[in-house]
Amino acid sequence: EPEVTQTPSHQVTQMGQEVILRCVPISNHLYFYWYRQILGQKVEFLVSFYNNEISEKSEIFDDQFSVERPDGSNFTLKIRSTKLEDSAMYFCASSEALWEGANTGELFFGEGSRLTVL
Amino acid sequence: AQSVAQPEDQVNVAEGNPLTVKCTYSVSGNPYLFWYVQYPNRGLQFLLKYITGDNLVKGSYGFEAEFNKSQTSFHLKKPSALVSDSALYFCAVKSNTGKLIFGQGTTLQVKP
Repeated sequence: EPEVTQTPSHQVTQMGQEVILRCVPISNHLYFYWYRQILGQKVEFLVSFYNNEISEKSEIFDDQFSVERPDGSNFTLKIRSTKLEDSAMYFCASSEALWEGANTGELFFGEGSRLTVL
Repeated sequence: AQSVAQPEDQVNVAEGNPLTVKCTYSVSGNPYLFWYVQYPNRGLQFLLKYITGDNLVKGSYGFEAEFNKSQTSFHLKKPSALVSDSALYFCAVKSNTGKLIFGQGTTLQVKP
């Protein structure tokens, strides 16, 4: 069964360092998302991406964050200068279509990348 | 603004008993509702969805959910709980921009 894969599974970094989290969405999916979850709590939306541009971003997704689809398969989240409060589990997700029909629009999530900022 | 609420932080049930995890929603227009499960240190796994049609939706692992428009609810149910069902459950609504908006999550604890 196709799945979303994320690397690394865990990254430890020093405050102020740049971090890149990588995701390989399911191959025929068109919509890509990043979410984060702090300490196993609520899952918060960061950004959505479609047709090589950001569709929507949340208040959390400030100038320190950026996303990119550098090739046909990878989808990356970059944090330019990490802060302690960026420590969280980051989830990538993809979906095949925005709405209902033959494709139901559910999001498929990766296993997450745990970021620890010291 | 669209939102979902899960009023219970934790639900405890004995193995073999029926379980219900509650979710209420607030949307303008037709709701597109989802349930996901998260096991410890894992990603979110899709369980089921309501888009249109029958109010009772069946999903993975024997779970089902009942869409109730008058009560704006979408409660997750299972007739007979298993210890292995113990996990964190999230209700979500799809926004009109396509993203999922999650509730705060409910921890389900099934005791032998």
